[in-house]
Amino acid sequence: EAGVVQSPRYKIIEKKQPVAFWCNPISGHNTLYWYRQNLGQGPELLIRYENEEAVDDSQLPKDRFSAERLKGVDSTLKIQPAELGDSAVYLCASSRAGVPNEKLFFGSGTQLSVL
Amino acid sequence: QQQVKQSPQSLIVQKGGISIINCAYENTAFDYFPWYQQFPGKGPALLIAIRPDVSEKKEGRFTISFNKSAKQFSLHIMDSQPGDSATYFCAASWGAQKLVFGQGTRLTINP
Repeated sequence: EAGVVQSPRYKIIEKKQPVAFWCNPISGHNTLYWYRQNLGQGPELLIRYENEEAVDDSQLPKDRFSAERLKGVDSTLKIQPAELGDSAVYLCASSRAGVPNEKLFFGSGTQLSVL
Repeated sequence: QQQVKQSPQSLIVQKGGISIINCAYENTAFDYFPWYQQFPGKGPALLIAIRPDVSEKKEGRFTISFNKSAKQFSLHIMDSQPGDSATYFCAASWGAQKLVFGQGTRLTINP
């Protein structure tokens, strides 16, 4: 079974530039999560999707962050414009339908550096 | 109340020893307590999880001990091996509420 695939693995941008991250979850996993992990910290949830619907986006800074999961499969997370404080690892995870927040499978993440 | 506090921040254990990492929580509504293992450059991977209706769960060399009255739970790694060197995160959630992670413990197993 292929795991959660994320791209790119690394991204370096200047502040105020836009950036986008892509995630393809494990086949058959209806629930998709985007987390942000700051250096030396645990992951923090940004948004959770059940199929195409964003069911928990309370932690997403909506002034500059947006996400979509149009066909209920892969997803894109965008930041526009990026700020220095956005430097972090952005992790995508997926899980089977049923009880959310259990048995999450994470991708390897995108490491973002904002200069 | 949504926090999970993890200790220690870092831990060094000799090969063959027992590694113990502790977590404490405040929200008594939490009903799912997983531990994740993360290697450098990789995402976290689920190691073992427990619900509050049991006090202990063991999978191979990994054991979770759960103390509901103290609102604490811990991960024990028996016969620790150099391959266990990683960062470990405890976490907690309830119902459909988000999974909240601790700050992590960097474990080093010396050969």
